[in-house]
Amino acid sequence: AQKITQTQPGMFVQEKEAVTLDCTYDTSDPSYGLFWYKQPSSGEMIFLIYQGSYDQQNATEGRYSLNFQKARKSANLVISASQLGDSAMYFCAMSANYGNNRLAFGKGNQVVVIP
Amino acid sequence: DTGVSQNPRHKITKRGQNVTFRCDPISEHNRLYWYRQTLGQGPEFLTYFQNEAQLEKSRLLSDRFSAERPKGSFSTLEIQRTEQGDSAMYLCASSSALAGAPRETQYFGPGTRLLVL
Repeated sequence: AQKITQTQPGMFVQEKEAVTLDCTYDTSDPSYGLFWYKQPSSGEMIFLIYQGSYDQQNATEGRYSLNFQKARKSANLVISASQLGDSAMYFCAMSANYGNNRLAFGKGNQVVVIP
Repeated sequence: DTGVSQNPRHKITKRGQNVTFRCDPISEHNRLYWYRQTLGQGPEFLTYFQNEAQLEKSRLLSDRFSAERPKGSFSTLEIQRTEQGDSAMYLCASSSALAGAPRETQYFGPGTRLLVL
């Protein structure tokens, strides 16, 4: 079974500052994928970034980067230069890279960007 | 590419009534997933289709729930005899899964918020 843990309380971050969201995971699958999604108040889950378990380099997508530490089973999301539109819930998720790639989600991190 | 769409966006119903939700995936995506999200939680997997075949159902999907994907395009999720505990956001996602490809990104629709009174 796959398990995602996100335990940070809600976070306030100053506009233009960077913020790190913690995610730890547990799985017995040898190959897996890690995802981060953003969910604004409208409810839609927006894909942000992906990291494969065998990827040698940390993933980056624009202002989003993933700090992947496989031995520690952590996949922290870093948002640089925060914008007001970044205020949302952020979910870490993982899937096994074979068969049914259903996503297992954490409980999410609430981020509020203040001007 | 218009993204994943879901209808209705909101549904209020009385306990014991049946409800049906529709999901239209991104065109030519062969996989379609249903998730349920309750307040303060992340989404939980319910079921998924590869083309028209329903390949897996979660234990969360009781006998009152049924999902279909005729012709491998849109999908419907029906809940019979709704209960207050069914109140949640129902999310649909689609993906293009290629055999042997290590990465499969799921793209989500806006969800259907269900309130059972």
